[in-house]
Amino acid sequence: ETGVTQSPTHLIKTRGQQVTLRCSSQSGHNTVSWYQQALGQGPQFIFQYYREEENGRGNFPPRFSGLQFPNYSSELNVNALELDDSALYLCASSLEGRNPFTEAFFGQGTRLTVV
Amino acid sequence: GEDVEQSLFLSVREGDSSVINCTYTDSSSTYLYWYKQEPGAGLQLLTYIFSNMDMKQDQRLTVLLNKKDKHLSLRIADTQTGDSAIYFCAESRSNTDKLIFGTGTRLQVFP
Repeated sequence: ETGVTQSPTHLIKTRGQQVTLRCSSQSGHNTVSWYQQALGQGPQFIFQYYREEENGRGNFPPRFSGLQFPNYSSELNVNALELDDSALYLCASSLEGRNPFTEAFFGQGTRLTVV
Repeated sequence: GEDVEQSLFLSVREGDSSVINCTYTDSSSTYLYWYKQEPGAGLQLLTYIFSNMDMKQDQRLTVLLNKKDKHLSLRIADTQTGDSAIYFCAESRSNTDKLIFGTGTRLQVFP
């Protein structure tokens, strides 16, 4: 149990639709990162938020956007869904002042299928 | 460029040692990590090593780093069925930079 909860666990959307994935972190976890893991691949960094502002971004188009809230929850929004967006989406959070990679806790992920 | 490669599968007998290998291309890599992913679960950080180290041991896990060849390995001693999972190596240039993951090695442990 990592204390990081993602919802929903599974989701099916149609190409062109928009989707919002949610991540709920532990109290004090000011840094949250989102990753996309396609089937059979390693996770790819989408972006990181720190204190409600984007703090680094991977090679993903602007239709991938995020929000982080004061209550330590966060969202990943994807507009104009494409078939290749089908993947497991992982969020990871860490405490203020802690290394956002070596001391991050991962959620179990949301499996998104775009048809 | 940044690239991390791993072999896809490894099958070992319970009680034997497992060695999972990884190569990376970014000479600026400062941190190297090993993660474990079990079905239906997120990623679990197993261990990490700084690029100025050659080896790190943590209970049954031993990480070896050959910086000259950009080769990283994870040795699991006395492998158990509960070790069956996908193992990812990853690298980053700093503790605030993004993680670059390999494609993962599926470890299967048979009795």
